[in-house]
Amino acid sequence: IAGITQAPTSQILAAGRRMTLRCTQDMRHNAMYWYRQDLGLGLRLIHYSNTAGTTGKGEVPDGYSVSRANTDDFPLTLASAVPSQTSVYFCASSDSTSGGAIDEQFFGPGTRLTVL
Amino acid sequence: GQNIDQPTEMTATEGAIVQINCTYQTSGFNGLFWYQQHAGEAPTFLSYNVLDGLEEKGRFSSFLSRSKGYSYLLLKELQMKDSASYLCAVTDSNYQLIWGAGTKLIIKP
Repeated sequence: IAGITQAPTSQILAAGRRMTLRCTQDMRHNAMYWYRQDLGLGLRLIHYSNTAGTTGKGEVPDGYSVSRANTDDFPLTLASAVPSQTSVYFCASSDSTSGGAIDEQFFGPGTRLTVL
Repeated sequence: GQNIDQPTEMTATEGAIVQINCTYQTSGFNGLFWYQQHAGEAPTFLSYNVLDGLEEKGRFSSFLSRSKGYSYLLLKELQMKDSASYLCAVTDSNYQLIWGAGTKLIIKP
């Protein structure tokens, strides 16, 4: 592994189903983030984690949950998917000690999710 | 509210120079980023400005004026591979990163 990987690459999901998007990084970065990107809108932060064992809510957390059991993995779970969660999801990490956003973020390749 | 404004789309010619502007209104300021995103790919870091002035990195330069809430990304000697979206993002006083919607740059031969 080099950098950040995400799985799956794409997924079509029936509304109401539960789905976990996986994210793994091998850079030993302490901070990790989940964003969604929708056409015409900027990246929007869903959840973040400043260090293993801690998580926080971003701008659009409703309907999503995360966990950070170790440094490398940061899965995002949709408990009961709805069509408005159709989006491209990016995981990112940074070598940050400030809790966020003054360090370069490295992004995974993204997961394209369609909820029908 | 917090706001980042960028033009939606710009067109330029191969070999030319293009300037992409970004204006912001945020609660405080702790730095401004530019990222490049090719279609269907992840954003990649281009530059970070926290002090006023121009930062040059090869063909790309980024300028910041904190008093005006303004930045621009300058791309010189444009190449076809520069066709991409350019995202402006600002870190506010709470260290939250606020993203603009991005500027799609189209390069014509």
